[in-house]
Amino acid sequence: DSGVTQTPKHLITATGQRVTLRCSPRSGDLSVYWYQQSLDQGLQFLIQYYNGEERAKGNILERFSAQQFPDLHSELNLSSLELGDSALYFCASSVDLRRGAGNEQFFGPGTRLTVL
Amino acid sequence: AQKVTQAQTEISVVEKEDVTLDCVYETRDTTYYLFWYKQPPSGELVFLIRRNSFDEQNEISGRYSWNFQKSTSSFNFTITASQVVDSAVYFCALSETYNNDMRFGAGTRLTVKP
Repeated sequence: DSGVTQTPKHLITATGQRVTLRCSPRSGDLSVYWYQQSLDQGLQFLIQYYNGEERAKGNILERFSAQQFPDLHSELNLSSLELGDSALYFCASSVDLRRGAGNEQFFGPGTRLTVL
Repeated sequence: AQKVTQAQTEISVVEKEDVTLDCVYETRDTTYYLFWYKQPPSGELVFLIRRNSFDEQNEISGRYSWNFQKSTSSFNFTITASQVVDSAVYFCALSETYNNDMRFGAGTRLTVKP
């Protein structure tokens, strides 16, 4: 158990809908990262938040957005869903005391999203 | 831009065999970090090791060992005396100094047969 929690574990929805994925980092970790894992794209970094502020952005679609709240939990919002958004979405957290320190990231169990 | 290549898509071995998973990376940074993660059938990603670019010492942890060679931009992972529980997808990843974008390789699926 990494200490990172994600809810829900599974989510089934229809095209065009909007969903919210939730992540709680390990106690003491200030950084939260979101990743998408799909068969064709592999594991892709989406976005990072550090202590409430966006720090880095990867291959995140405009239809997707995220935020980190004062209690450090994070939410990933996916809207106007398409079939191709079906994937496993991981949240990870790290201490990140110093920027660019290459801290190891600890991953949650993931949320499996199925878009029908 | 950083890039990680895991050329072996799938490897199958029989229990007790040694197996090496290859990882080759590209980066323009002089300071960077390399990682290995394991993804068992249950799906979670488990951190195995972190290595920074200034530390080329090989590391051994039980049956696991890692060989980091800057000259060939490789960070290979060897499992000695493999066991069925080692069956998983293994990912190599790279993180640059001022870029928190951890770039993962495509992964190598290891199957260890009894």
